[in-house]
Amino acid sequence: GDSVTQMEGPVTLSEEAFLTINCTYTATGYPSLFWYVQYPGEGLQLLLKATKADDKGSNKGFEATYRKETTSFHLEKGSVQVSDSAVYFCALSGLTGTASKLTFGTGTRLQVTL
Amino acid sequence: GAGVSQSPSNKVTEKGKDVELRCDPISGHTALYWYRQSLGQGLEFLIYFQGNSAPDKSGLPSDRFSAERTGGSVSTLTIQRTQQEDSAVYLCASSYPQGTTFFGQGTRLTVV
Repeated sequence: GDSVTQMEGPVTLSEEAFLTINCTYTATGYPSLFWYVQYPGEGLQLLLKATKADDKGSNKGFEATYRKETTSFHLEKGSVQVSDSAVYFCALSGLTGTASKLTFGTGTRLQVTL
Repeated sequence: GAGVSQSPSNKVTEKGKDVELRCDPISGHTALYWYRQSLGQGLEFLIYFQGNSAPDKSGLPSDRFSAERTGGSVSTLTIQRTQQEDSAVYLCASSYPQGTTFFGQGTRLTVV
């Protein structure tokens, strides 16, 4: 079945540091890939997505590129801020172009300090 | 409404009691999902409704769990004879057939 593996946290960085959170997946067919974020005390929000190979999703300075050859969707940000402190979830949707259940990774907690 | 609405936001119940959790999806969204978020298990899919199709119940952990969706809109997740391991945050989400999935704030269930 489908699965998502992401790096375990917590990840602690100083403000303005470079962030990478690794995510790899296993799926049949051509899934859509997502990063969701959960800020403290808030619900899950979509951060970015990519629906086909080589697509780059981006939002709020975060980027991730859909790499079919390495089955990866690593999240990056060039300069993190304290306000980026949250839990980040990598996810995939098994059926492209239609509603489908999401399979999530275990989440990576990011703590950014001054 | 503007977003996915869940109620109650918090529920404390005694072991063995039944509970009902409610989800009001975004208007017009034909797909509705329930997930569970717990410390040991991360985010787990429970059940998925898409239009008038039979629901995908493949994630329900036991027959104590059931869900219905009335009139293609509001959904209720019912847990019978609650156990302590049912304690978790239950998340509802909705989407258009080819759209982004939006999540509610969740119901935090504590079984004592």
